[in-house]
Amino acid sequence: GNSVTQMEGPVTLSEEAFLTINCTYTATGYPSLFWYVQYPGEGLQLLLKATKADDKGSNKGFEATYRKETTSFHLEKGSVQVSDSAVYFCALGFSGGYQKVTFGIGTKLQVIP
Amino acid sequence: SAVISQKPSRDICQRGTSLTIQCQVDSQVTMMFWYRQQPGQSLTLIATANQGSEATYESGFVIDKFPISRPNLTFSTLTVSNMSPEDSSIYLCSVDPGQGARETQYFGPGTRLLVL
Repeated sequence: GNSVTQMEGPVTLSEEAFLTINCTYTATGYPSLFWYVQYPGEGLQLLLKATKADDKGSNKGFEATYRKETTSFHLEKGSVQVSDSAVYFCALGFSGGYQKVTFGIGTKLQVIP
Repeated sequence: SAVISQKPSRDICQRGTSLTIQCQVDSQVTMMFWYRQQPGQSLTLIATANQGSEATYESGFVIDKFPISRPNLTFSTLTVSNMSPEDSSIYLCSVDPGQGARETQYFGPGTRLLVL
């Protein structure tokens, strides 16, 4: 079956530090890949996505590249802010009549001033 | 995109009672999904609700415990029946607007349920 593995948290960084959250996947076929973010007390929001190999998704200074050869979709940001403190979920899904999204366990990021 | 609202946003319930969660979308969508997010864990799909047909439940979830209604293309309800403390979770609805070949899902803000 399909699965998503992402690094365990929590991750604690100082403001302006570089962020990497690792994500690898196992899937049959060619999934789309997503990063969702969940801010404290809120639901999930789509942060970025990539639909095919070598695509780079980017948003709000975050980016991730769909690497088919390493089955990875690592999330990066060059300089984190306190407002980036949240839980980040890597996910995969498929197009078609029924899109079931598979989520990773989530990585909590805490950015300290 | 789609804007999704849920009611209630949170609730504290007694063991053995039931709670119905409402999900409203600002546009017509074919597919709606209900997820559970237990404390410190990822999202688990409970069921898929298509308008005009019975909901499709994932392994480990049954209709008697989580009955779902989908009366039209903008609304759905999930009932958590005969609750126990193990049902304490965040319940999220999401929709797949299906606007493109690989469109993503949009999530509501969630309903935070605590069962005592």
